[in-house]
Amino acid sequence: GQQVMQIPQYQHVQEGEDFTTYCNSSTTLSNIQWYKQRPGGHPVFLIQLVKSGEVKKQKRLTFQFGEAKKNSSLHITATQTTDVGTYFCAGQTNSGYALNFGKGTSLLVTP
Amino acid sequence: NAGVTQTPKFQVLKTGQSMTLQCAQDMNHNSMYWYRQDPGMGLRLIYYSASEGTTDKGEVPNGYNVSRLNKREFSLRLESAAPSQTSVYFCASTRLAGTIRRTDTQYFGPGTRLTVL
Repeated sequence: GQQVMQIPQYQHVQEGEDFTTYCNSSTTLSNIQWYKQRPGGHPVFLIQLVKSGEVKKQKRLTFQFGEAKKNSSLHITATQTTDVGTYFCAGQTNSGYALNFGKGTSLLVTP
Repeated sequence: NAGVTQTPKFQVLKTGQSMTLQCAQDMNHNSMYWYRQDPGMGLRLIYYSASEGTTDKGEVPNGYNVSRLNKREFSLRLESAAPSQTSVYFCASTRLAGTIRRTDTQYFGPGTRLTVL
């Protein structure tokens, strides 16, 4: 079945440093979504990307969807302690219905 | 709006016991989902219901059954619990009825933390 790989699994940064997590699919995606889960919480939707090469920004967060629609990235500029949590990508293929979640990247930010 | 609610929040079972996890949404959403989350494994889809009256298997359906009771409610049943089913279970819903190549925001419930001894 389709696999969505996400790296790194963990990232520990000092507050103010940048952070990037990458998502790669073995097949072409029709769309990709990103979610954030705080420790002890539930996943919360951040954004959906649909178009090849699409770039979207939310304040300090920048999301990209690759030209081939097989990869995506989330970049956080100047991390804050409130960015702590696990970031998941989730992709849907052209032939499938359900979302396939990556295993997530857990971000720890120390002051 | 309460969004997506799940009961119970915590549960401890003995091997072989059965139980039903309840999920309800008050957003008039069409599609509903059950996921399990294990450390280092991300979210894995157990079952989903693309619209009222339909259910389909996800990635890890063995040992589970579901019922889409009505548009609001989607329950997950463990007939004979096993230690391998110790996990956090999340229910989610989406506004759109599911179709190939199209989906939208998934709204998650707070989760049920299940331990099977």
